[in-house]
Amino acid sequence: GENVEQHPSTLSVQEGDSAVIKCTYSDSASNYFPWYKQELGKRPQLIIDIRSNVGEKKDQRIAVTLNKTAKHFSLHITETQPEDSAVYFCAGTYNDYKLSFGAGTTVTVRA
Amino acid sequence: NAGVTQTPKFQVLKTGQSMTLQCAQDMNHEYMSWYRQDPGMGLRLIHYSVGAGITDQGEVPNGYNVSRSTTEDFPLRLLSAAPSQTSVYFCASSYSGKNTEAFFGQGTRLTVV
Repeated sequence: GENVEQHPSTLSVQEGDSAVIKCTYSDSASNYFPWYKQELGKRPQLIIDIRSNVGEKKDQRIAVTLNKTAKHFSLHITETQPEDSAVYFCAGTYNDYKLSFGAGTTVTVRA
Repeated sequence: NAGVTQTPKFQVLKTGQSMTLQCAQDMNHEYMSWYRQDPGMGLRLIHYSVGAGITDQGEVPNGYNVSRSTTEDFPLRLLSAAPSQTSVYFCASSYSGKNTEAFFGQGTRLTVV
């Protein structure tokens, strides 16, 4: 199956700075890479996703990049705000249906 | 439109007891799945279903059973609860499973003593 590794496990940034989370995957057949945000005590919710035929995707302050050759993808959050504080999970699909998640990154935005 | 609904939200079980976690979705999604979330381990797939009558195992299926008699419902059964099954359980559904957004339920926090 797919093995997704995520770094760092914790990230503390000053409000207004950028945050970057990196993930690597093992299955070269994986072709869908979503990112989920989970606020404390809440359910995970999709914030952005990227498919293997695209190298980069942006949505306001959030962007994701994908390097299929190196089998890694990254989440970039610019101009961080207190409401960006949460746990972020990357994931990759394998066998078409199964999502394999990274261990998560706890992001803290300091005011 | 309620989305994905899980019950109960909290549960305490004694070792050896059995119980069923309920999951229902009203989005007519074909694909449903169960995950468990443990600190530092992300979300791990327990079982999944690609449609009514079809289920398959994920990464950590031991100790759990599922069935999918309707499109809407996907219950997870713990056969004989063990302390190692203490976790937060999430049900999720998506339109087709392949490369589509997964919608999660609100989670069930299960403690086995």
